[in-house]
Amino acid sequence: KAGVTQTPRYLIKTRGQQVTLSCSPISGHRSVSWYQQTPGQGLQFLFEYFSETQRNKGNFPGRFSGRQFSNSRSEMNVSTLELGDSALYLCASSPGDAHHGYTFGSGTRLTVV
Amino acid sequence: GNSVTQMEGPVTLSEEAFLTINCTYTATGYPSLFWYVQYPGEGLQLLLKATKADDKGSNKGFEATYRKETTSFHLEKGSVQVSDSAVYFCALRNGGSQGNLIFGKGTKLSVKP
Repeated sequence: KAGVTQTPRYLIKTRGQQVTLSCSPISGHRSVSWYQQTPGQGLQFLFEYFSETQRNKGNFPGRFSGRQFSNSRSEMNVSTLELGDSALYLCASSPGDAHHGYTFGSGTRLTVV
Repeated sequence: GNSVTQMEGPVTLSEEAFLTINCTYTATGYPSLFWYVQYPGEGLQLLLKATKADDKGSNKGFEATYRKETTSFHLEKGSVQVSDSAVYFCALRNGGSQGNLIFGKGTKLSVKP
């Protein structure tokens, strides 16, 4: 069974640019969540999508957005990049039930210069 | 609000030593509790979970028991190996469709031969 696949693994962008990250969940999983990991703030929840609908959102500015497609694949977009957006972005998928843990991908390491 | 508190690291142990990483939580309702592990350069891997009070999660020699009376979920292993060196995260997820994972700040474990 294939795991959660995130692309690309590494990305370098310039301040002010925008970026799109992609996540393919485990087959059959309908919930996809995104987390930001930084040394200072730790792991912070960005948003969750379930069956193409955003059903939960963390406390991030509107520059961070996402979407989910009918095949459950998800993308997140960050516009007008800032240096502080440099982080490891992790995608996680779940069948959707609250008692299941999430399965995480290996992440996309974004560096903003 | 919901939160997770982990013991501060780093923790350095000799091979075959006993490991305890403390985790306490604050939550409304009846959350599910998780331990995740992150190896260098990788995403998070689910180590074990418990979904109700007095449940014991176990995997690869690691154990943790859901203690509602002390709001704790301490991670233990009787004999650590060098390969256990990683960062360990305690997390909770509340029930319902709006529940995202809330993580502790992580505890770095280094095991020396």
